[in-house]
Amino acid sequence: AQSVTQLGSHVSVSEGALVLLRCNYSSSVPPYLFWYVQYPNQGLQLLLKYTTGATLVKGINGFEAEFKKSETSFHLTKPSAHMSDAAEYFCVNVVPWSSASKIIFGSGTRLSIRP
Amino acid sequence: DGGITQSPKYLFRKEGQNVTLSCEQNLNHDAMYWYRQDPGQGLRLIYYSQIVNDFQKGDIAEGYSVSREKKESFPLTVTSAQKNPTAFYLCASSIGSTDSGNTIYFGEGSWLTVV
Repeated sequence: AQSVTQLGSHVSVSEGALVLLRCNYSSSVPPYLFWYVQYPNQGLQLLLKYTTGATLVKGINGFEAEFKKSETSFHLTKPSAHMSDAAEYFCVNVVPWSSASKIIFGSGTRLSIRP
Repeated sequence: DGGITQSPKYLFRKEGQNVTLSCEQNLNHDAMYWYRQDPGQGLRLIYYSQIVNDFQKGDIAEGYSVSREKKESFPLTVTSAQKNPTAFYLCASSIGSTDSGNTIYFGEGSWLTVV
């Protein structure tokens, strides 16, 4: 069955520290994977996505993620956290050539930045 | 600027009332979606439409209805049959079906509260 798991509902890092948000997926076929960010009371904004090709994907605001098939992971990283990164982050698993009901959102990870 | 406009931002519903959330997009996207977001949970699909005059139920369609009479509009009605409607509702669209890896774009969301 298709699924996506975000490890840690809340992650707190110091400003300037490495950000690592974990996402593991389960899929019977190679998935499409997305990371979205949501600021309070707003919609979701695309950070980056992996469909095919290069497994290291760079996104906006200095974020990047690496698709690791062997580990079924798509962790999101940023070398140096900024206060403006405080938000909720969602990992999304899409099964290619399927219906919209096969778009699976993770439960989200809330990122807090300590001054 | 192109985008997705949801209105109203905040809506209060009395018991037994139907309410309609508006969603308009000027991105010329074929596919549109409605999601519900509850605290601490990921997004859950209510309804989606891949083309005008056609729509399908998502995972939690009971108590909701939609229409797709125009390409740019996809209103959601929360009926009195929905027993727990208090939530954050997100409208989204994509240029085509997401099963090709197309990005989903989101509106700013609407808060619905039952009073």
